[in-house]
Amino acid sequence: DIQMTQSPSSLSASVGDRVTITCRASQSISSFLNWYQQKPGKAPKLLIYDLSSLQSGVPSGFSGGGSGTDFTLTISSLQPEDSATYYCQQSYSAPYTFGQGTKLEIK
Amino acid sequence: QVQLQESGPGLVKPLGTLSLTCAVSGGSISSTNWWSWVRQPPGKGLEWIGEVYRSGNTNYNPSLKSRVTISVDESKNQFSLRLTSVTAADTALYYCARCSGAGCSSFDYWGRGTLVTVSS
Repeated sequence: DIQMTQSPSSLSASVGDRVTITCRASQSISSFLNWYQQKPGKAPKLLIYDLSSLQSGVPSGFSGGGSGTDFTLTISSLQPEDSATYYCQQSYSAPYTFGQGTKLEIK
Repeated sequence: QVQLQESGPGLVKPLGTLSLTCAVSGGSISSTNWWSWVRQPPGKGLEWIGEVYRSGNTNYNPSLKSRVTISVDESKNQFSLRLTSVTAADTALYYCARCSGAGCSSFDYWGRGTLVTVSS
């Protein structure tokens, strides 16, 4: 199985900050990398697919990048509604695996 | 707008069988999409369980493969999960999700999830 490791596990930032979450794969997964946002009591929501494509309806302040084994999710200007847990997920090969999550809090 | 809705018992006895159904609306289960189950133990991360195609073809997570069956019912526009010999470790929020893109590029639509507790 491909292991996905996110860092940090949690972080706290202020409204307007630029925030970056990192995800590392245990082997190269090309650009088969997705990002999800999950708020308490809700299902995960697809934000970014295939490395850097923004899912319909997702604010343009979210962006994805990287390649191979190292990937990033960036929020350009943090908003209060961005408080959530974020997960990366590889779709390079089954079993599809997720990172352990990064909990983002607003100061 | 595609919508998915999980249903099934919220409590299963140890060593029993967990059975859930995912009803799809606003779209067809017979489309060129794979359909998946994902679970999340309370307070923990996400685990992919497996997927099914309209033809009945399936792929399972090897960690659960010996206990899992996922099937599709085109006439009812739904797909189902069956997990046998459950233990407390199978207590989780179970989500059904649609795979988008070629194969299963990403999970673009999700159900709200249903909590299944394994307890006597």
